[in-house]
Amino acid sequence: GEDVEQSLFLSVREGDSSVINCTYTDSSSTYLYWYKQEPGAGLQLLTYIFSNMDMKQDQRLTVLLNKKDKHLSLRIADTQTGDSAIYFCAVPEGSSASKIIFGSGTRLSIRP
Amino acid sequence: DADVTQTPRNRITKTGKRIMLECSQTKGHDRMYWYRQDPGLGLRLIYYSFDVKDINKGEISDGYSVSRQAQAKFSLSLESAIPNQTALYFCATSDKTGTGTYNEQFFGPGTRLTVL
Repeated sequence: GEDVEQSLFLSVREGDSSVINCTYTDSSSTYLYWYKQEPGAGLQLLTYIFSNMDMKQDQRLTVLLNKKDKHLSLRIADTQTGDSAIYFCAVPEGSSASKIIFGSGTRLSIRP
Repeated sequence: DADVTQTPRNRITKTGKRIMLECSQTKGHDRMYWYRQDPGLGLRLIYYSFDVKDINKGEISDGYSVSRQAQAKFSLSLESAIPNQTALYFCATSDKTGTGTYNEQFFGPGTRLTVL
């Protein structure tokens, strides 16, 4: 089955860029997702990218997809204290989008 | 009002007790999911249901059972709770999807369960 891996922690200085990386194993994935979990809350979709794209930009967020290496990244520009959260990479299992496999989540902490 | 609600939000129980976690949604979605979250392990799928008559096991279904009482309600039961079932439990919903189509999942706020 699909395997999705992320590093567990990232610490950045306020105002710097944060880059969260994810690797996956299933090459048939179509849409790939990034979810954000704020303290005490459930997950919420942050952004996504379709597999025929290399990059998607949405305000401070940039998603990069390298299909050859099965690598997905999320860049947050000008990181703010409100960006402190756990970020999950999520990839559909198989050609069907009905089941989503989540990575372990990367906890982003912001230093002043 | 929240689209996906879970009750209770917090629960402490003892080993061997039966416990039920409930999930309700007003999004009109056919698909509902139960996940557990453990530190460092991310979200793992326990059970999922694509409609009222369709229930499927996820990767960690042992020790759990579910009931889909209606399109809007999906409950998770621990028949005899054990300490390693202490975790944060999330319910999620999604709309029907064809092969390869967009499938955003909508999460409830979670239930923190502690088994002593």
